[in-house]
Amino acid sequence: GEKVEQHESTLSVREGDSAVINCTYTDTASSYFPWYKQEAGKSLHFVIDIRSNVDRKQSQRLIVLLDKKAKRFSLHITATQPEDSAIYFCAASKGNSGTYQRFGTGTKLQVVP
Amino acid sequence: EAAVTQSPRNKVTVTGGNVTLSCRQTNSHNYMYWYRQDTGHGLRLIHYSYGAGNLQIGDVPDGYKATRTTQEDFFLLLELASPSQTSLYFCASSEGPSSGNTLYFGEGSRLIVV
Repeated sequence: GEKVEQHESTLSVREGDSAVINCTYTDTASSYFPWYKQEAGKSLHFVIDIRSNVDRKQSQRLIVLLDKKAKRFSLHITATQPEDSAIYFCAASKGNSGTYQRFGTGTKLQVVP
Repeated sequence: EAAVTQSPRNKVTVTGGNVTLSCRQTNSHNYMYWYRQDTGHGLRLIHYSYGAGNLQIGDVPDGYKATRTTQEDFFLLLELASPSQTSLYFCASSEGPSSGNTLYFGEGSRLIVV
């Protein structure tokens, strides 16, 4: 089945700098790539997603890039703020209804002043 | 916004014990899921359901049963709990299949099996 790898387990950036979190996937049929954020001691919530019909999507300070040839997608957080500190999970799934999202192992982002 | 409520939030049980984790969603979502979160593994799907009476297995179903009694309620059952099932469990729901839809997560249930 699909495997999603999240390459950075921890990432530290200075406030105001950009952060980049990278994920790769194995199934070329995957077509939906969401990202979730988990703040310390809390649950996960959706932040942004991208579908395979586009290679870039932006929502305010969040940018997702998708490289289907390399089976790689990445989350870029620009102008980081302390409240961006959290664990970020990437996920991937195929488009058909019998499948479900599989998650990476998470990247703990720390934004330092 | 989707509301997913889990109970209990914390539970300690002994090896061989019986545990039921409950989940209720109030947004008329068809799909519900049980994940476990473990360091180094991320989130792994145990079971999911696309409606009352329906059950589908995920990637790590061994040792778990689940039951979807209504559209709102999804239960995870550990009938002979083992220490390897010590974990943080999340329930989630989605309007359609998660293959193309956002997941809405509950607050989590932390289970310790001693």
